[in-house]
Amino acid sequence: GAVVSQHPSWVICKSGTSVKIECRSLDFQATTMFWYRQFPKQSLMLMATSNEGSKATYEQGVEKDKFLINHASLTLSTLTVTSAHPEDSSFYICSVRTPFGQYFGPGTRLTVL
Amino acid sequence: GEDVEQSLFLSVREGDSSVINCTYTDSSSTYLYWYKQEPGAGLQLLTYIFSNMDMKQDQRLTVLLNKKDKHLSLRIADTQTGDSAIYFCAPEANNLFFGTGTRLTVIP
Repeated sequence: GAVVSQHPSWVICKSGTSVKIECRSLDFQATTMFWYRQFPKQSLMLMATSNEGSKATYEQGVEKDKFLINHASLTLSTLTVTSAHPEDSSFYICSVRTPFGQYFGPGTRLTVL
Repeated sequence: GEDVEQSLFLSVREGDSSVINCTYTDSSSTYLYWYKQEPGAGLQLLTYIFSNMDMKQDQRLTVLLNKKDKHLSLRIADTQTGDSAIYFCAPEANNLFFGTGTRLTVIP
């Protein structure tokens, strides 16, 4: 399967700052990547679909100006949480769609103080 | 979207079989996946079944699909303590849809 990495694995930031999370597909050129968030003891919620070379597609209720997604290459997608607030604290997971299934990164734990 | 439902908890004794059940609503799902999530980690793809199949076996894992009833199950044979985790079924209909997951606890 595809190997997906995320960086950082955890981050703590102050309210009002911006945080960038990277998602890399290490062994597969991904035209499509997905960003999910997961609250404690809850399921994954799809936030957006990241398309290489074009704008991301956001799910209903997800603010595109707050969660900026850039998919500049076939191996890298970034999610920037702008002006983060405590309610943005969550576990953010990216995934890569391949012909053999959808593979997930290890996740990034964001804590906003 | 698709609604996916699973039981929240399952406890089994080490060495027994575990059966995790899942129901879904979108009959157009083409692939149906099972993922495992350990604490603080991402999701590990365990196995999947194509919608025109009714059973798939992969070592200790057996997936059963009843497409008519939109019911999917994952059987883990000879369950080990390392199998303790949350298991998500995820039917794919354009996107993956997740339920709340089933927390499997294996009792030594």
